[in-house]
Amino acid sequence: AQSVTQLGSHVSVSEGALVLLRCNYSSSVPPYLFWYVQYPNQGLQLLLKYTSAATLVKGINGFEAEFKKSETSFHLTKPSAHMSDAAEYFCAGYAAGGTSYGKLTFGQGTILTVHP
Amino acid sequence: DTGVSQDPRHKITKRGQNVTFRCDPISEHNRLYWYRQTLGQGPEFLTYFQNEAQLEKSRLLSDRFSAERPKGSFSTLEIQRTEQGDSAMYLCASSFRSASTDTQYFGPGTRLTVL
Repeated sequence: AQSVTQLGSHVSVSEGALVLLRCNYSSSVPPYLFWYVQYPNQGLQLLLKYTSAATLVKGINGFEAEFKKSETSFHLTKPSAHMSDAAEYFCAGYAAGGTSYGKLTFGQGTILTVHP
Repeated sequence: DTGVSQDPRHKITKRGQNVTFRCDPISEHNRLYWYRQTLGQGPEFLTYFQNEAQLEKSRLLSDRFSAERPKGSFSTLEIQRTEQGDSAMYLCASSFRSASTDTQYFGPGTRLTVL
Protein backbone atom coordinates (compact mmCIF):
# COMPACT_ATOMS: atom_id res chain seq x y z
CA ALA A 1 0.00 0.00 0.00
CA GLN A 2 1.11 3.54 -0.70
CA SER A 3 2.01 5.85 2.16
CA VAL A 4 3.69 9.24 2.23
CA THR A 5 5.51 10.74 5.20
CA GLN A 6 6.67 14.31 5.52
CA LEU A 7 9.36 14.85 8.14
CA GLY A 8 8.84 18.08 10.03
CA SER A 9 5.45 19.73 10.31
CA HIS A 10 7.09 23.17 10.50
CA VAL A 11 10.23 24.46 8.79
CA SER A 12 11.57 27.96 9.30
CA VAL A 13 14.22 29.61 7.12
CA SER A 14 15.60 33.06 6.54
CA GLU A 15 14.97 34.85 3.27
CA GLY A 16 17.70 33.84 0.83
CA ALA A 17 18.48 30.58 2.62
CA LEU A 18 18.13 27.06 1.24
CA VAL A 19 14.72 25.45 1.53
CA LEU A 20 14.61 21.70 2.15
CA LEU A 21 11.30 19.92 2.74
CA ARG A 22 11.50 16.19 3.31
CA CYS A 23 9.23 13.49 1.91
CA ASN A 24 9.54 9.73 2.09
CA TYR A 25 7.23 7.21 0.50
CA SER A 26 6.56 3.54 0.77
CA SER A 27 5.14 1.61 -2.08
CA SER A 28 5.24 -1.93 -3.37
CA VAL A 29 5.25 -0.65 -6.96
CA PRO A 30 6.99 2.34 -8.58
CA PRO A 31 5.23 5.51 -7.55
CA TYR A 32 4.20 8.71 -9.18
CA LEU A 33 5.03 11.56 -6.80
CA PHE A 34 3.93 15.17 -6.59
CA TRP A 35 4.52 18.29 -4.56
CA TYR A 36 1.68 20.74 -4.07
CA VAL A 37 1.62 24.12 -2.32
CA GLN A 38 -1.37 25.50 -0.45
CA TYR A 39 -1.84 29.11 0.59
CA PRO A 40 -4.31 29.92 3.39
CA ASN A 41 -7.93 29.18 2.49
CA GLN A 42 -7.02 28.15 -1.03
CA GLY A 43 -6.80 24.94 -2.99
CA LEU A 44 -3.63 23.08 -3.91
CA GLN A 45 -1.32 24.28 -6.66
CA LEU A 46 0.91 21.78 -8.43
CA LEU A 47 4.62 22.56 -8.00
CA LEU A 48 6.15 19.57 -9.74
CA LYS A 49 5.73 15.88 -10.47
CA TYR A 50 7.81 12.74 -10.89
CA THR A 51 6.55 10.21 -13.42
CA SER A 52 9.52 7.85 -13.81
CA ALA A 53 11.36 9.91 -16.40
CA ALA A 54 14.19 12.11 -15.09
CA THR A 55 14.92 11.65 -11.39
CA LEU A 56 15.64 15.36 -10.92
CA VAL A 57 12.45 17.26 -11.51
CA LYS A 58 12.20 21.01 -11.91
CA GLY A 59 9.01 22.82 -11.04
CA ILE A 60 7.59 26.29 -10.83
CA ASN A 61 8.93 29.16 -8.73
CA GLY A 62 12.47 27.75 -8.65
CA PHE A 63 11.60 24.54 -6.80
CA GLU A 64 13.02 21.14 -7.68
CA ALA A 65 12.90 17.65 -6.25
CA GLU A 66 15.00 14.54 -6.66
CA PHE A 67 13.58 11.02 -6.68
CA LYS A 68 15.93 8.64 -4.87
CA LYS A 69 14.71 5.08 -5.05
CA SER A 70 17.41 3.75 -2.72
CA GLU A 71 16.29 6.17 -0.01
CA THR A 72 12.58 6.10 -0.95
CA SER A 73 12.70 9.88 -0.83
CA PHE A 74 11.42 12.80 -2.87
CA HIS A 75 12.69 15.88 -1.05
CA LEU A 76 11.77 19.37 -2.25
CA THR A 77 14.43 22.07 -2.45
CA LYS A 78 14.86 25.67 -3.46
CA PRO A 79 18.27 27.37 -3.38
CA SER A 80 17.07 30.73 -2.09
CA ALA A 81 13.87 31.28 -0.13
CA HIS A 82 11.60 34.19 -0.87
CA MET A 83 8.99 35.67 1.43
CA SER A 84 6.29 34.62 -1.02
CA ASP A 85 7.27 30.95 -0.50
CA ALA A 86 5.65 30.97 2.93
CA ALA A 87 2.84 28.43 2.67
CA GLU A 88 2.00 24.81 3.42
CA TYR A 89 3.54 22.15 1.23
CA PHE A 90 2.18 18.68 0.59
CA CYS A 91 3.93 15.68 -0.83
CA ALA A 92 1.58 13.17 -2.47
CA GLY A 93 1.73 10.08 -4.59
CA TYR A 94 0.07 7.01 -5.98
CA ALA A 95 1.28 3.63 -7.14
CA ALA A 96 1.86 3.23 -10.85
CA GLY A 97 -0.25 0.09 -11.14
CA GLY A 98 -3.32 -1.54 -9.72
CA THR A 99 -6.45 -0.04 -8.27
CA SER A 100 -4.58 2.81 -6.57
CA TYR A 101 -3.68 4.46 -9.88
CA GLY A 102 -4.60 8.13 -9.65
CA LYS A 103 -5.80 8.09 -6.04
CA LEU A 104 -3.46 10.47 -4.30
CA THR A 105 -2.18 9.72 -0.82
CA PHE A 106 -0.96 12.87 0.89
CA GLY A 107 1.58 13.52 3.59
CA GLN A 108 0.64 15.53 6.67
CA GLY A 109 2.00 18.74 5.22
CA THR A 110 4.89 21.03 6.13
CA ILE A 111 4.32 24.67 6.96
CA LEU A 112 7.18 26.79 5.63
CA THR A 113 7.88 30.09 7.39
CA VAL A 114 10.28 32.57 5.81
CA HIS A 115 11.87 35.21 8.04
CA PRO A 116 13.14 38.52 6.64
CA ASP B 1 -8.05 27.20 -20.29
CA THR B 2 -9.88 27.95 -17.04
CA GLY B 3 -9.03 25.98 -13.95
CA VAL B 4 -11.18 23.87 -11.68
CA SER B 5 -13.94 25.88 -10.02
CA GLN B 6 -15.98 25.06 -6.95
CA ASP B 7 -19.15 26.56 -5.58
CA PRO B 8 -19.80 27.73 -2.94
CA ARG B 9 -16.45 28.68 -1.45
CA HIS B 10 -17.87 28.73 2.04
CA LYS B 11 -20.93 27.08 3.56
CA ILE B 12 -22.18 27.40 7.11
CA THR B 13 -25.02 25.12 8.07
CA LYS B 14 -26.74 23.76 11.11
CA ARG B 15 -26.41 20.18 12.19
CA GLY B 16 -28.98 17.98 10.48
CA GLN B 17 -29.30 20.09 7.34
CA ASN B 18 -28.43 18.87 3.85
CA VAL B 19 -25.76 20.61 1.77
CA THR B 20 -24.67 20.28 -1.84
CA PHE B 21 -21.39 21.36 -3.40
CA ARG B 22 -20.60 21.75 -7.06
CA CYS B 23 -17.34 21.23 -8.94
CA ASP B 24 -16.65 22.25 -12.54
CA PRO B 25 -13.53 20.51 -13.87
CA ILE B 26 -11.11 21.66 -16.53
CA SER B 27 -12.82 21.06 -19.84
CA GLU B 28 -11.96 17.75 -21.53
CA HIS B 29 -10.64 16.24 -18.31
CA ASN B 30 -12.10 12.78 -18.03
CA ARG B 31 -11.43 12.19 -14.34
CA LEU B 32 -12.82 14.06 -11.37
CA TYR B 33 -11.82 13.48 -7.75
CA TRP B 34 -13.21 14.58 -4.41
CA TYR B 35 -11.01 14.91 -1.32
CA ARG B 36 -11.65 16.09 2.22
CA GLN B 37 -9.15 18.07 4.24
CA THR B 38 -9.51 18.67 7.96
CA LEU B 39 -7.52 21.25 9.87
CA GLY B 40 -3.83 20.46 10.06
CA GLN B 41 -4.08 17.38 7.85
CA GLY B 42 -3.40 16.49 4.27
CA PRO B 43 -6.34 15.85 1.95
CA GLU B 44 -7.94 12.40 2.04
CA PHE B 45 -9.45 10.68 -0.97
CA LEU B 46 -13.25 10.37 -0.97
CA THR B 47 -14.34 9.27 -4.43
CA TYR B 48 -13.62 9.65 -8.12
CA PHE B 49 -15.28 9.50 -11.51
CA GLN B 50 -14.06 8.57 -14.93
CA ASN B 51 -16.42 10.37 -17.27
CA GLU B 52 -19.84 9.81 -15.68
CA ALA B 53 -18.99 6.55 -13.93
CA GLN B 54 -18.20 6.61 -10.22
CA LEU B 55 -15.38 4.10 -9.98
CA GLU B 56 -14.55 4.05 -6.29
CA LYS B 57 -15.74 5.36 -2.95
CA SER B 58 -13.57 5.55 0.14
CA ARG B 59 -14.68 4.02 3.41
CA LEU B 60 -14.61 7.61 4.67
CA LEU B 61 -17.70 8.26 2.56
CA SER B 62 -20.62 7.25 4.75
CA ASP B 63 -24.13 6.61 3.44
CA ARG B 64 -24.94 10.25 4.11
CA PHE B 65 -22.61 11.27 1.30
CA SER B 66 -23.48 10.97 -2.36
CA ALA B 67 -21.70 12.20 -5.44
CA GLU B 68 -22.78 12.43 -9.03
CA ARG B 69 -21.27 13.46 -12.31
CA PRO B 70 -24.08 13.56 -14.85
CA LYS B 71 -22.95 13.62 -18.47
CA GLY B 72 -19.34 13.45 -17.39
CA SER B 73 -18.99 17.20 -16.88
CA PHE B 74 -19.59 18.94 -13.53
CA SER B 75 -19.98 16.99 -10.32
CA THR B 76 -22.00 17.47 -7.15
CA LEU B 77 -21.28 16.21 -3.66
CA GLU B 78 -24.24 16.08 -1.30
CA ILE B 79 -24.10 15.54 2.43
CA GLN B 80 -27.35 14.65 4.12
CA ARG B 81 -28.08 15.20 7.82
CA THR B 82 -24.81 17.00 8.39
CA GLU B 83 -22.84 16.39 11.57
CA GLN B 84 -20.22 18.56 13.26
CA GLY B 85 -17.60 16.03 12.21
CA ASP B 86 -18.34 16.87 8.58
CA SER B 87 -16.76 20.30 9.04
CA ALA B 88 -13.81 20.37 6.66
CA MET B 89 -12.53 21.71 3.36
CA TYR B 90 -13.89 19.72 0.43
CA LEU B 91 -11.54 19.76 -2.52
CA CYS B 92 -12.25 18.80 -6.09
CA ALA B 93 -9.58 17.91 -8.62
CA SER B 94 -9.67 16.96 -12.27
CA SER B 95 -7.25 15.21 -14.59
CA PHE B 96 -6.89 13.66 -17.99
CA ARG B 97 -6.21 10.01 -17.41
CA SER B 98 -3.61 8.73 -19.86
CA ALA B 99 -1.43 5.66 -20.02
CA SER B 100 1.55 7.54 -18.63
CA THR B 101 0.19 9.75 -15.90
CA ASP B 102 -2.78 11.18 -14.03
CA THR B 103 -1.88 14.70 -12.91
CA GLN B 104 -4.58 16.29 -10.83
CA TYR B 105 -5.37 19.98 -10.74
CA PHE B 106 -7.27 21.24 -7.74
CA GLY B 107 -10.03 23.76 -7.28
CA PRO B 108 -10.10 26.35 -4.50
CA GLY B 109 -12.21 24.15 -2.25
CA THR B 110 -15.47 24.54 -0.35
CA ARG B 111 -15.09 25.11 3.35
CA LEU B 112 -17.99 23.61 5.29
CA THR B 113 -18.74 24.61 8.86
CA VAL B 114 -21.45 22.65 10.67
CA LEU B 115 -22.77 24.37 13.79
